[in-house]
Amino acid sequence: SQTIHQWPATLVQPVGSPLSLECTVEGTSNPNLYWYRQAAGRGLQLLFYSVGIGQISSEVPQNLSASRPQDRQFILSSKKLLLSDSGFYLCAWSVLLGYGTGPGDYGYTFGSGTRLTVV
Amino acid sequence: GEDVEQSLFLSVREGDSSVINCTYTDSSSTYLYWYKQEPGAGLQLLTYIFSNMDMKQDQRLTVLLNKKDKHLSLRIADTQTGDSAIYFCAESMGGGFKTIFGAGTRLFVKA
Repeated sequence: SQTIHQWPATLVQPVGSPLSLECTVEGTSNPNLYWYRQAAGRGLQLLFYSVGIGQISSEVPQNLSASRPQDRQFILSSKKLLLSDSGFYLCAWSVLLGYGTGPGDYGYTFGSGTRLTVV
Repeated sequence: GEDVEQSLFLSVREGDSSVINCTYTDSSSTYLYWYKQEPGAGLQLLTYIFSNMDMKQDQRLTVLLNKKDKHLSLRIADTQTGDSAIYFCAESMGGGFKTIFGAGTRLFVKA
């Protein structure tokens, strides 16, 4: 079966410290992978997406970066965290919904999220 | 720019119907989605509708789309306490990359 793992579930980090969040998927190959951030009371903000190993596209300029060292592994990193980096980070991969009307028939499967608090 | 708006809270009694509303601005949106987020968890795709449809029904869920007004709604029949969650509306032109999410509607179900 297809599953997505994300860890840690919660993280408290001081300002200026580094960050590494990891996401792995199972049961699929060559998935499109995403990092989203959910701030309190706001919608999901797409941070990065990847269509393959080493291929990263950034949606929002910031002090975060992403890497995809393996087909099923997606990592979100920062060298120095800011207070504004606090939020709920979600990893996701897109699945073909099978509606059959075209190439864009994708929905997301999300991981359980990491709640990051920068203090 | 692209935007998805939805009210932040909705409270209903157990057994009643819930209607969660959403408006979007991008008239070129092809796919519209409803996701459910339970406490401390990621989002789960509930249902979706293609833009050439007016309605889609899936068991207790009914999605209505008014493309002219750019209005999407999710009706949950016979709402149960287990339906308490945050419901996100989302829109996309397809391809999975440019999916825009609303801020989510928190549904409270009172026993």
